[in-house]
Amino acid sequence: EVQLVESGGGLVQPGRSLKLSCVASGFTFSNYGMNWIRQAPGKGLEWVAYISSGSSYIYYAETVKGRFTISRDNAKNTLYLQMTSLRSEDTALYYCARRSSPRGVMDAWGQGASVTVSS
Amino acid sequence: DIQMTQSPSSLSVSLGDNVTFTCEASENIYGFLAWYQQKLGKAPKLLIYGATNLEDGVPTRFSGSGSWTNYSLTISSLEPEDIATYYCQNNHVYPDTFGAGTKLELK
Repeated sequence: EVQLVESGGGLVQPGRSLKLSCVASGFTFSNYGMNWIRQAPGKGLEWVAYISSGSSYIYYAETVKGRFTISRDNAKNTLYLQMTSLRSEDTALYYCARRSSPRGVMDAWGQGASVTVSS
Repeated sequence: DIQMTQSPSSLSVSLGDNVTFTCEASENIYGFLAWYQQKLGKAPKLLIYGATNLEDGVPTRFSGSGSWTNYSLTISSLEPEDIATYYCQNNHVYPDTFGAGTKLELK
């Protein structure tokens, strides 16, 4: 069974940093690109970042570019999102999601990690 | 960035209804359109990819259509478990963009 389990969320003050992790199981992690998607409370889905299977290709949403860093450790089956200079508008549930190739869609999602940015 | 516009934003429905809602892209996305279902408090679930292809395990009452910039999702004979919010997604070019969602509510 494909599983994605996020962790590392919490309450953080504006301007501080936080690192999310997503541990994958049930599939060959190193064969898949991965995404982070977030959802602010009561709002819709916002794509945040993508990393290819071998980390050669990385893309960010403009809203997080320069502040967030996506990375992965294929030996540990783990995806990361390092978030710095956090703002109140970064408050959201952060999902990791597997990107199916060549369909290019997110066919497996974690349960989400909650990040609250507040003083 | 490609903008995705979903309509309506909410829809009041009855069980057994045939329901259709739409998604319009700001430019041609060549059929690279996915639909996701999100139930309250749950992660999104992929329903349809490539505008018309049903994901494995998704009931056949769900169907997608469209091309170029205009796409739609139809649910035939609505079941109770279909009450959810539905999002379309452009996966033609980065950034992936989602529509704002269509929320189904029971009358």
